[in-house]
Amino acid sequence: KNQVEQSPQSLIILEGKNCTLQCNYTVSPFSNLRWYKQDTGRGPVSLTIMTFSENTKSNGRYTATLDADTKQSSLHITASQLSDSASYICVVRDQAGTALIFGKGTTLSVSS
Amino acid sequence: NAGVMQNPRHLVRRRGQEARLRCSPMKGHSHVYWYRQLPEEGLKFMVYLQKENIIDESGMPKERFSAEFPKEGPSILRIQQVVRGDSAAYFCASSATSSYNEQFFGPGTRLTVL
Repeated sequence: KNQVEQSPQSLIILEGKNCTLQCNYTVSPFSNLRWYKQDTGRGPVSLTIMTFSENTKSNGRYTATLDADTKQSSLHITASQLSDSASYICVVRDQAGTALIFGKGTTLSVSS
Repeated sequence: NAGVMQNPRHLVRRRGQEARLRCSPMKGHSHVYWYRQLPEEGLKFMVYLQKENIIDESGMPKERFSAEFPKEGPSILRIQQVVRGDSAAYFCASSATSSYNEQFFGPGTRLTVL
């Protein structure tokens, strides 16, 4: 069964600190992996999208890594800001279907 | 350059009533996707539509749920005879061409069934 598991479930950090969120997936064959940011009460917004041949991709203070062999991805946030408080969702698309498979997300709280 | 628009943002229905959720895709987008997010759960795919066609409805419950994307007007997700378990956030996304492309999400409709 295609699954996407994220850890930790929630995380609290101080403003200015770095953090890393994890994503493990069992989707195979694999097409691409995306990280989304979802603010409370809003729809998800794309941060990065990576194909199986890409190892890392950055978007400002967000850096995503992908290891297609171990089926793991991480999202690293540098110098966190209060506005980074949100749910971060790992999403995987398989080669066969049209659907995206979503993880449950990691809820990040950045405090001052 | 408006993004994906959904209305209403919040909808309250009593058990047995009908719920109609609307989604207007981004300008120039002809592909629409509906997702459901139950409390404490990840988004789950429901249906993928192009103008006047249902492409993939593998995530749609077999009964009470239907979706359409007419030639003119928004996409509609219709839930008949709602039950408490239908309470969730329903998100619509759109893309310019096929689902291989980037999907842009709307703000969601939060359905509460009393």
